[in-house]
Amino acid sequence: QSALTQPRSVSGSPGQSVTISCTGTSSDVGGYNYVSWYQQHPGKAPKLMIYDVSRRPSGVPDRFSGSTSGNTASLTISGLQAEDEADYYCCSYAGSYTWVFGGGTKLTVL
Amino acid sequence: QLQLQESGPGLVKPSETLSLTCTVSGGSISSSSYYWGWIRQPPGKGLEWIGNMYYSGSTYYNPSLKSRVTISVDTSKNQFSLKLSSVTAADTAVYYCARHPAKGGSDYFDYWGQGTLVTVSS
Repeated sequence: QSALTQPRSVSGSPGQSVTISCTGTSSDVGGYNYVSWYQQHPGKAPKLMIYDVSRRPSGVPDRFSGSTSGNTASLTISGLQAEDEADYYCCSYAGSYTWVFGGGTKLTVL
Repeated sequence: QLQLQESGPGLVKPSETLSLTCTVSGGSISSSSYYWGWIRQPPGKGLEWIGNMYYSGSTYYNPSLKSRVTISVDTSKNQFSLKLSSVTAADTAVYYCARHPAKGGSDYFDYWGQGTLVTVSS
């Protein structure tokens, strides 16, 4: 069970859109519609932003969206805002009641 | 409002056993609708799923940690616990407890504790 692969960092200017990728295998990301995304500000606990690939919990702005293609999941943040600057982690069900996280991506708002 | 709170020693010696407890308030740990899990984050690094448990006692562990991990539940105290044996410096991390739905066909960790830093050092 290897960690999902995410870019170490991405950046964008306010108002722009950014996409963070999360690459796994057919045993996790590609095998189930169970990818979730978490936002983590420094010193804070992770916060659920997207679940079941593309569903948003109540209270999460619709600027956040998720999708998958094959073994890669993506989180897109449109209309970038300063408060979006944080670390983002993907997570996938990996079968047999196990879960795997990505290595995390640092989003910088320029 | 559901709240989770981790507690336990912040310093553990190498080769000893790390023990943490997660106290759940604002909801019952005995609900059949949820799993309860542990996730850790080494300083400056990413998240790692450790394991989940169901109120009935069923447990599911990360294969890479399975030989050293035990998660248990105390429904009378609305708590669940983590034990990690034979720790090394590589086990130094912030440890989080979290809730995970067991029904409804959805998959996520929605409520998280604030996390507790455990340092392994002599």
